[in-house]
Amino acid sequence: DMKVTQMPRYLIKRMGENVLLECGQDMSHETMYWYRQDPGLGLQLIYISYDVDSNSEGDIPKGYRVSRKKREHFSLILDSAKTNQTSVYFCASSLSYEQYFGPGTRLTVL
Amino acid sequence: QEKVQQSPESLIVPEGAMVSLNCSFSDSASQSIWWYQQHPGKGPKALISIFSNGNKKEGRLTVYLNRASLHVSLHIKDSQPSDSAVYLCAVSINNNNAPRFGAGTKLSVKP
Repeated sequence: DMKVTQMPRYLIKRMGENVLLECGQDMSHETMYWYRQDPGLGLQLIYISYDVDSNSEGDIPKGYRVSRKKREHFSLILDSAKTNQTSVYFCASSLSYEQYFGPGTRLTVL
Repeated sequence: QEKVQQSPESLIVPEGAMVSLNCSFSDSASQSIWWYQQHPGKGPKALISIFSNGNKKEGRLTVYLNRASLHVSLHIKDSQPSDSAVYLCAVSINNNNAPRFGAGTKLSVKP
């Protein structure tokens, strides 16, 4: 069964702390994505990765960076988190056009 | 950058009703349009896609694409309470281009 996992599912951090969100997939998909979802705004693309160490900025990359050292694993890093980064973060992977999403990580920055 | 807009924002219908959801996009070169369903606390799940002008039917779902008017619609026949969810429209220019999403339509089907 095709699966995308995300850890942790819930996270509370203080402003200025570093945050690491992790995503894994078991389908050997080359392309992976990070989105954030806020009420009324839908899913906004943060970063896209085409394969190991081949990452591109999405529409809202400021304040975020990513790491992909293995095809099945894609991390999102927030250096010195800000309160406006409170959101639900979704990771996805794709083989062609169809995306497979993880369950999301709800991040609260106080 | 592709702009995707969905309407209505929310919709409440009785069980058994036909549901129509709309999505407009900005780039006529867009190659694929997907509809995703998202239940509360879950990630989006792909429902149906369309690549060519015209319509496509899968079970209770029908999708219509009109590239000239930059518009796609999703119709759900005989809606069920289990169809209650947020429906997201996603548009891609090509296979290497990440899909852009609309803000979604929240559907509530009342028994």
